Amino acid sequence: DIQMTQSPSTLSASVGDRVTITCRASQSISTWLAWYKQKPGKAPTLVISKASHLESGVPSRFSGSGSGTEFTLTISSLHPDDFAIYHCQQYHSYSPTFGQGTKVEIK
Amino acid sequence: EVQLVESGGGLVRPGGSLRLSCAASGFTFSRYWMHWVRQVPGKGLLWVSRINSDATSAGYADSVKGRFTISRDNARDTLYLQMNSLRAEDTAVYFCARDVGNCFGDRCYGDYYFDSWGQGILVTVSS
Repeated sequence: DIQMTQSPSTLSASVGDRVTITCRASQSISTWLAWYKQKPGKAPTLVISKASHLESGVPSRFSGSGSGTEFTLTISSLHPDDFAIYHCQQYHSYSPTFGQGTKVEIK
Repeated sequence: EVQLVESGGGLVRPGGSLRLSCAASGFTFSRYWMHWVRQVPGKGLLWVSRINSDATSAGYADSVKGRFTISRDNARDTLYLQMNSLRAEDTAVYFCARDVGNCFGDRCYGDYYFDSWGQGILVTVSS
């Protein structure tokens, strides 16, 4: 299976900060990468697909980049609703795998 | 509005069985591949299984292969996960999820990422 590793595991930030989360794949996945946001006790919601495609309804302060094995999710200016856990997921293989998640918490 | 509602979870002893259901509404269920994904509380997400739109093929994570069976009833807009020989490490919240997918005529394909999720159902395997 393709291993996905996110960093950091926890990120402490304030409203208005710019934050970046990194996701690394154990082998090249081209741009077959999705990002999800998950609030406590809730299901994940799709934020970005194909590494950089912003899903409908997702605020433009979210952006994704990368290809191959290294990817980033950036939030340009944190809003209160953005404090959550973010998961990356590769869909290059028929066994999709997720990173361990990055918790964005209030500093 | 797309809705996915899981049911059938609960407490079961090791070695026992449980069947999860996922009732779908708000979209043409028979045109989409569907998946199960699980999450140990406080941990990451783990893909469990997928089934194609007409139930002719399925795939499983190695950790559940031979113990879990995914199925669907397109007439009832319902997805299932039959879980046998349950182990303590199967304890998790189980989500059903809709594949983004695409259809070309009568053939529908899966993309293996997910645009709609159920609220999740807790399965606890413990003696």
